[in-house]
Amino acid sequence: DAGITQSPRYKITETGRQVTLMCHQTWSHSYMFWYRQDLGHGLRLIYYSAAADITDKGEVPDGYVVSRSKTENFPLTLESATRSQTSVYFCASSVSGMVFNEQFFGPGTRLTVL
Amino acid sequence: ILNVEQSPQSLHVQEGDSTNFTCSFPSSNFYALHWYRWETAKSPEALFVMTLNGDEKKKGRISATLNTKEGYSYLYIKGSQPEDSATYLCAFNSGNTPLVFGKGTRLSVIA
Repeated sequence: DAGITQSPRYKITETGRQVTLMCHQTWSHSYMFWYRQDLGHGLRLIYYSAAADITDKGEVPDGYVVSRSKTENFPLTLESATRSQTSVYFCASSVSGMVFNEQFFGPGTRLTVL
Repeated sequence: ILNVEQSPQSLHVQEGDSTNFTCSFPSSNFYALHWYRWETAKSPEALFVMTLNGDEKKKGRISATLNTKEGYSYLYIKGSQPEDSATYLCAFNSGNTPLVFGKGTRLSVIA
């Protein structure tokens, strides 16, 4: 039972490069989310998706692109990485809806942009 | 942006002590309040989802209460153990919109 996985777990890249972080869940959950965790800010939502082909912006979407062609995958792309995007990125999913359903988090990806 | 405040930011307690901390959120347009436990080097895990004013939830030595009219929730830990050391996050929902997380309370339990 894999649950929700993220890859890579660690990534070092350079300013200006494109980076894609992968998220995969095996539960067929409808909703998926991308958060970043930064000191002093807690968890901030980047993008979320209610279903395949439906995505929406969160609190801090600038510089990021998402897609969801299949229910189980929700990749996050940094089109041109900047140092300010150095962070720990968490993917999460929930069965349905955002109100009453708990979210299940992946193990996180630590991204460093040099 | 909705404001969810947690206090204290951090605390240290001795093993065996009971402790509590607070999550404050807007009292209008309340739908749900979530609590998550986040151990260092791991991922957040859900503790409770609370929806009704006066709700009380319990899981082992951890319990939570909810006051939606005044906009706060308390998380209690009875007889703290070193394995309770973690950051405790609350998250507020005001409708069919994403959760807004507080910055967390970091608990350290000293053996």
